[in-house]
Amino acid sequence: AQSVAQPEDQVNVAEGNPLTVKCTYSVSGNPYLFWYVQYPNRGLQFLLKYITGDNLVKGSYGFEAEFNKSQTSFHLKKPSALVSDSALYFCAVRDETGANNLFFGTGTRLTVIP
Amino acid sequence: EAGVVQSPRYKIIEKKQPVAFWCNPISGHNTLYWYLQNLGQGPELLIRYENEEAVDDSQLPKDRFSAERLKGVDSTLKIQPAELGDSAVYLCASSLGPDRGFNEQFFGPGTRLTVL
Repeated sequence: AQSVAQPEDQVNVAEGNPLTVKCTYSVSGNPYLFWYVQYPNRGLQFLLKYITGDNLVKGSYGFEAEFNKSQTSFHLKKPSALVSDSALYFCAVRDETGANNLFFGTGTRLTVIP
Repeated sequence: EAGVVQSPRYKIIEKKQPVAFWCNPISGHNTLYWYLQNLGQGPELLIRYENEEAVDDSQLPKDRFSAERLKGVDSTLKIQPAELGDSAVYLCASSLGPDRGFNEQFFGPGTRLTVL
């Protein structure tokens, strides 16, 4: 069965520094991978997705993610963190049966320190 | 373009009472999802609709939960009777239909349910 793991519950980074939020996945077949962000009292917002093509995917708000098949990882990155990036980040993988369902990780809380 | 609309945003009820949540998806989105999000966890799918058909309800606790999407647009999720463990955020999401390939899901703000 498909799954994603976010090994860090909390990531702290200083404003202006690069940030990385880690995600590893397990799925049969080609992975469809997603990153979502959740701000307090709001629903999840789509950031980016990997389906095929370049291993470096660019998304909203300056975020990007690097797909690494050999390491089964899909880490979220940003070159320079902003305080406003502080939020809860979720990695997700598509249902390996091909159904339009997503399976989410447990989330990583990012705090950007001014 | 309006996003996914959910109401109410917050609901507090006594255990054993019924409760209903409403969702209006993005116009043109044929696929609608209901998710459950417990505190500190990622969303978990409860049910997925393709138009008015529930195509995946394997994770819906059918003894107390029910859902409907009668005209293939908005949807209602009901719990009757509610239990203490049902306290969570209920998220609705929508996406283009599967005939348009696999598309990202757009989420509503959620309904935070507290059962006392």
